[in-house]
Amino acid sequence: SAVISQKPSRDICQRGTSLTIQCQVDSQVTMMFWYRQQPGQSLTLIATANQGSEATYESGFVIDKFPISRPNLTFSTLTVSNMSPEDSSIYLCSVETGREYEQYFGPGTRLTVT
Amino acid sequence: QQPVQSPQAVILREGEDAVINCSSSKALYSVHWYRQKHGEAPVFLMILLKGGEQKGHEKISASFNEKKQQSSLYLTASQLSYSGTYFCGTEGYGGATNKLIFGTGTLLAVQP
Repeated sequence: SAVISQKPSRDICQRGTSLTIQCQVDSQVTMMFWYRQQPGQSLTLIATANQGSEATYESGFVIDKFPISRPNLTFSTLTVSNMSPEDSSIYLCSVETGREYEQYFGPGTRLTVT
Repeated sequence: QQPVQSPQAVILREGEDAVINCSSSKALYSVHWYRQKHGEAPVFLMILLKGGEQKGHEKISASFNEKKQQSSLYLTASQLSYSGTYFCGTEGYGGATNKLIFGTGTLLAVQP
């Protein structure tokens, strides 16, 4: 398994501003993922972040809105840019590790945009 | 397309059994199962790979029918700690990453 931390745990932001979410893992991992989860809903994959390469975004998510950095094998950031109330959600990072290449999730960042 | 889970919600008494189904419209390489408690991160339960695999984890087991593109999670003699929302995460063929598409979710409530 892996121990994953995220910062901040929650934030309230004004529309039009940007927030950077940090994800730290206690071991080196190749693949990291960023998800969005609306309250009471399922998880939606935003992008896959591999160290040393550009992030791969899913349909409906673009780099200008959700730029991602992956500077090393234990850390990644997701920025939510030019926020609107529709961006209010829980953002989770996950890592792929373990004997069966399962994914482990961070505690999430609860974002509210006013 | 997002995998569909059934039922959407189920209420059990302690000691009762439940089955949660996950159905995909696409061919699947693997199925992952997670449980998420309110306000917490999803927790990995188990993964099933292609080949009609079955697997057990304490009183929770699962099966994967590759031909039918379906997986089922079996909870036996349920405990209060089993309460939460269960998600299947499906991995298809192709693509450069092992990305998961999560199902619609099943809310399970176990009552004393």
